[in-house]
Amino acid sequence: VVVTQFPGTLSLSPGERATLSCRASPSISSTYIAWYQKKPGQAPRLLIFGTSSRAPGIPDRFSGSGSGTDFTLTISRLEPEDFAVYFCQQYGIFPLTFGGGTRVESK
Amino acid sequence: EVQLVESGGGAVRPGGSLRLSCVGSGFTFDDYGMSWVRQVPGRELEWVAGLNWNGESTGYAESVEGRVTISRDNAKNSLYLQMESLRAEDTALYFCARGRGSGSYEALDVWGQGTTVTVSS
Repeated sequence: VVVTQFPGTLSLSPGERATLSCRASPSISSTYIAWYQKKPGQAPRLLIFGTSSRAPGIPDRFSGSGSGTDFTLTISRLEPEDFAVYFCQQYGIFPLTFGGGTRVESK
Repeated sequence: EVQLVESGGGAVRPGGSLRLSCVGSGFTFDDYGMSWVRQVPGRELEWVAGLNWNGESTGYAESVEGRVTISRDNAKNSLYLQMESLRAEDTALYFCARGRGSGSYEALDVWGQGTTVTVSS
């Protein structure tokens, strides 16, 4: 399954809404889509699993949606600590695959 | 505290071998599937290999299939990645990660800090 993320970079200001897209080809069950946050020098952090379920401790400004081939991660109001790279992953079919990432940078 | 600690990385020549290890603590290791994920700094994450709680179901990325073997020893709370015929493109930071459940097909909810593999002549 090829996972494609877009845009490659989002330039936004704190307080703004971020919408990140992920496309899986061929389609994948929504049970098996996850989103991770990655900051330099840190391990990846699971944000969302099963397309829309927040991992423990993840703030409710992070939400996931989608089905079939198209999935979305939304950050409702960007906080300073949210500027990072975000990766989408399908984990329903071997080999598990990640998208190329979306960098959310401060405008 | 739930923790994963990797070791075994280092510098190796092309064609060489390495065995990475990961020790889990703070949780019941054999309740969970596990994976190895790598990243060249500044680039995308790449899932390398994964297995279920008892190691009987395994999967590999196409880029490493036939050259790496993932295994686990639940008595030692340990995960391994045996890497053979290493190539320059295997150079990366290798993370050990825990699946949310016991299967092979799981989102990864706990990650180590990684161990660096450098393949160079």
